[in-house]
Amino acid sequence: NAGVTQTPKFRVLKTGQSMTLLCAQDMNHEYMYWYRQDPGMGLRLIHYSVGEGTTAKGEVPDGYNVSRLKKQNFLLGLESAAPSQTSVYFCASKVGSGELFFGEGSRLTVL
Amino acid sequence: GEDVEQSLFLSVREGDSSVINCTYTDSSSTYLYWYKQEPGAGLQLLTYIFSNMDMKQDQRLTVLLNKKDKHLSLRIADTQTGDSAIYFCAESQASGGSYIPTFGRGTSLIVHP
Repeated sequence: NAGVTQTPKFRVLKTGQSMTLLCAQDMNHEYMYWYRQDPGMGLRLIHYSVGEGTTAKGEVPDGYNVSRLKKQNFLLGLESAAPSQTSVYFCASKVGSGELFFGEGSRLTVL
Repeated sequence: GEDVEQSLFLSVREGDSSVINCTYTDSSSTYLYWYKQEPGAGLQLLTYIFSNMDMKQDQRLTVLLNKKDKHLSLRIADTQTGDSAIYFCAESQASGGSYIPTFGRGTSLIVHP
């Protein structure tokens, strides 16, 4: 099983550029999440989805958009990247109240 | 204040026991988790405890839950250098039918010889 796969793993952007991070899970999980991890800040929830076609804002949604057109995929978009969005992004999925399965992370640098 | 709080650093000697502490604020939390993150990797579930339990033991790991004080701890017996990692406490509660996990900032465990 691949579990949760994130692409790309590394990306460098210039301020103002746009990009999309893709998260794919093959476990038929309903819930999917995007977190960002910054030193000393732990994991902060950006957006989440409780099922295909639904999305909701988390703790730090500004500057990001998401889509869940297919149950297995959860996309995170940055329309106009800013240096403050330099971070490591983690996607996770789960079934109900069970264990969260994480991807390996996507390291984004915005110059 | 933060929903889940934990100290940022813990340093122990190899072979000693490590105790990582966590406090949470939401009394309706139904599941409490410990995740481990090794350098350059994602988080992996280490262990979890239901809110109706006081203790859970799994090999070298012991989780203690004090619901009255909303305090969770993770004890690692005979700590090894391979246990060096960041440990995250997390709680999960139902919110409008969905489960939103909330994480602490993570405790960096440093194991030295």
